[in-house]
Amino acid sequence: SQKIEQNSEALNIQEGKTATLTCNYTNYSPAYLQWYRQDPGRGPVFLLLIRENEKEKRKERLKVTFDTTLKQSLFHITASQPADSATYLCASDKLVFGAGTILRVKS
Amino acid sequence: DAGVIQSPRHEVTEMGQEVTLRCKLISGHNSLFWYRQTMMRGLELLIYFNNNVPIDDSGMPEDRFSAKMPNASFSTLKIQPSEPRDSAVYFCASSLRDRGTEAFFGQGTRLTVV
Repeated sequence: SQKIEQNSEALNIQEGKTATLTCNYTNYSPAYLQWYRQDPGRGPVFLLLIRENEKEKRKERLKVTFDTTLKQSLFHITASQPADSATYLCASDKLVFGAGTILRVKS
Repeated sequence: DAGVIQSPRHEVTEMGQEVTLRCKLISGHNSLFWYRQTMMRGLELLIYFNNNVPIDDSGMPEDRFSAKMPNASFSTLKIQPSEPRDSAVYFCASSLRDRGTEAFFGQGTRLTVV
């Protein structure tokens, strides 16, 4: 069955740096991938969607890439801020989610 | 639109009791997803409806779990009988068309079975 894998360890970075989160998929070739943000006690909120024929997509300080050869999507937050601290989830086109990566941005 | 609305927000029940979780979709959305989230297992897809019809229920853990969509805007997830291992946060989400667009999540129901 399709599997979405994210680094379960928390990512700690300094304010102003670029955060890079990884999403790998196996047993499946999704037509697109989605990224969500989840804050404690709240439901996930949609951020970006990238299709398999798109190499890169940007939205403000966010950038997502899709590499079908590596079966991987990277999610970047540039000029990170403490307010970016949250759990970031990757989802397949079947809306199967990875475990999420906790991002902590320290000032 | 107020978004996806779930009720109750919190539920504490005794083992063996029936639990019903409710979800109101965003008006005009035709797809509905139920998820369960725990620290150990993350966000698990339980069941997916499209146009009120269950399309994929492979994530429903046991026969104790059942979900319905009596109309286009409302869904229920029932657990009967409930067990302590069912304790989790249950989310529902809706999307505009099938799985091709972003999903909008409700605030979740935190279920505790004692």
